[in-house]
Amino acid sequence: AQKVTQAQTEISVVEKEDVTLDCVYETRDTTYYLFWYKQPPSGELVFLIRRNSFDEQNEISGRYSWNFQKSTSSFNFTITASQVVDSAVYFCALLPRRDSNYQLIWGAGTKLIIKP
Amino acid sequence: DAGVIQSPRHEVTEMGQEVTLRCKPISGHNSLFWYRQTMMRGLELLIYFNNNVPIDDSGMPEDRFSAKMPNASFSTLKIQPSEPRDSAVYFCASSRSGARHNEQFFGPGTRLTVL
Repeated sequence: AQKVTQAQTEISVVEKEDVTLDCVYETRDTTYYLFWYKQPPSGELVFLIRRNSFDEQNEISGRYSWNFQKSTSSFNFTITASQVVDSAVYFCALLPRRDSNYQLIWGAGTKLIIKP
Repeated sequence: DAGVIQSPRHEVTEMGQEVTLRCKPISGHNSLFWYRQTMMRGLELLIYFNNNVPIDDSGMPEDRFSAKMPNASFSTLKIQPSEPRDSAVYFCASSRSGARHNEQFFGPGTRLTVL
């Protein structure tokens, strides 16, 4: 099965706390791509990161970091020193290689609420 | 650079009416995607175009839905006749061709309400 699970439906933290959003995926492919998108209250979907399955290096971009662990099929997203503007729904998505299409397999999303 | 442009941003219509949603992809992007987002089903891919040609429309729910891309800078998604269950946010996204894994850039969406 090809599937993305974001088990945390909603997370609420106080500003300046660190928070990790979990993403677990299933795929039979050895080559695949993983994505994170942010959907703020305004509704648009904002691309955050793409990772291919051969690159297990962790990525850091400012307060954002991503931990890719093939051994556990996880691609978790951490926000350090969270801010109110980080409040959004965050989606993890998988693009398997073997499938002949380009259809992203989306997780259900995690709603992140950052309280001032 | 302008991102993906969608219009209208909001549409309220009555059941049975025709609805046309519009999308202008990012200049230079050759792939265009139409998605529908609802609470029940999340994000669903409706149709994908590459170089203005529909590649896969298997996600289009039924014959009431049709999509066109007459040129590289414009696409429409039409629902005729519309039904209340079509109420959703419809997103258009575009990406560069050449690699399937190129990230998709989304427009702001059209929130459709069918009464």
